Amino acid sequence: GNSVTQMEGPVTLSEEAFLTINCTYTATGYPSLFWYVQYPGEGLQLLLKATKADDKGSNKGFEATYRKETTSFHLEKGSVQVSDSAVYFCALWMDSSYKLIFGSGTRLLVRP
Amino acid sequence: GAVVSQHPSRVICKSGTSVKIECRSLDFQATTMFWYRQFPKQSLMLMATSNEGSKATYEQGVEKDKFLINHASLTLSTLTVTSAHPEDSSFYICSARARLSGGALRSQETQYFGPGTRLLVL
Repeated sequence: GNSVTQMEGPVTLSEEAFLTINCTYTATGYPSLFWYVQYPGEGLQLLLKATKADDKGSNKGFEATYRKETTSFHLEKGSVQVSDSAVYFCALWMDSSYKLIFGSGTRLLVRP
Repeated sequence: GAVVSQHPSRVICKSGTSVKIECRSLDFQATTMFWYRQFPKQSLMLMATSNEGSKATYEQGVEKDKFLINHASLTLSTLTVTSAHPEDSSFYICSARARLSGGALRSQETQYFGPGTRLLVL
């Protein structure tokens, strides 16, 4: 079946450090891929997305590239801020199943 | 950007009572609305998918008689937790996919999430 695997957290970084959160997927077909962010006590916000292989999604300094050959969609940011502290969810969408499938989430804590 | 609202944001109720949670898409028509449940420090668990004017499709293991979903219009869906018990205490999040015009692929739709409703059953 379709699934998403994320690196376990929490990830603790100092401000201005480089961030990578790994995400790999398993899917029969060609999914669309997403990163969502959840701040404490809130719902999810779409951070970025990519709908086909080699697409790069980017937003607010975050980037992720859809790599079909490695079935990955790793999230990166060159310089994190304290305000980036949140839980990040990788997800895939298949039209055939008509639902988002989420990874387990990765908590990021950025210290000043 | 598109906004999805939920009401109430928090609710505390006594065991055995029913609680209704509303989900609205404020500035777009939603092709489909989804209801999720999230336990502390865990991922989102899809409970059900609903399309306007038709019965909701529930995920395996979700009791449809306990979690009643009504999707009355393209902008409103409600989740009613009937005869709530302490184990129903959780964070409930709704989500809506924006309808696109002109035969666009479903994969091109964007899915927006509400801010969530925290339910505590005493």
